[in-house]
Amino acid sequence: AQSVTQPDIHITVSEGASLELRCNYSYGATPYLFWYVQSPGQGLQLLLKYFSGDTLVQGIKGFEAEFKRSQSSFNLRKPSVHWSDAAEYFCAVGSYSSASKIIFGSGTRLSIRP
Amino acid sequence: NAGVTQTPKFQVLKTGQSMTLQCAQDMNHNSMYWYRQDPGMGLRLIYYSASEGTTDKGEVPNGYNVSRLNKREFSLRLESAAPSQTSVYFCASREGPLNTEAFFGQGTRLTVV
Repeated sequence: AQSVTQPDIHITVSEGASLELRCNYSYGATPYLFWYVQSPGQGLQLLLKYFSGDTLVQGIKGFEAEFKRSQSSFNLRKPSVHWSDAAEYFCAVGSYSSASKIIFGSGTRLSIRP
Repeated sequence: NAGVTQTPKFQVLKTGQSMTLQCAQDMNHNSMYWYRQDPGMGLRLIYYSASEGTTDKGEVPNGYNVSRLNKREFSLRLESAAPSQTSVYFCASREGPLNTEAFFGQGTRLTVV
């Protein structure tokens, strides 16, 4: 069965600093992976996705993520955060065998220090 | 640009009452999902429907039933609400099983007292 772990519950970074949010997945074959962002009181918006090919994927709002099969990780990065990036971030994994299921991690809340 | 529409947005129920959460999508998507979101637990999959006419259990199906009424609509029913079902419920849809992302509704905040 697929699962996702986001080890950091809450992270605070200074505006302009770099950011890395961790995501580890468990799945027996090649997964497909997503990062979503949720602003307070809102639904979820897709930041980026990985299905195959290039392991470094670019997303919206200046985010990128790198798929590392050897580490079962799909960490989200941004070189310089903005106050508007404060939100909750969710990593999710889907599988090719159970084709329609998408399982989410518990989320990481990002706060920005002025 | 409706996308995924959930009704109602807010609901308060008494323990033991029943209700149905409605979800409709206008993107001609095949797959639809119901998740619940609780603090510190992320989104947990309740039920999903890979295509019209099929439904499957997710991670936390107990206490819920679903109906895929047609390709557009996927409803979630609480037959006898319990305080443990207090949560924010999200409906989502996606075009197909592979190579596509899910699109989410704005959520239904349900309180069971």
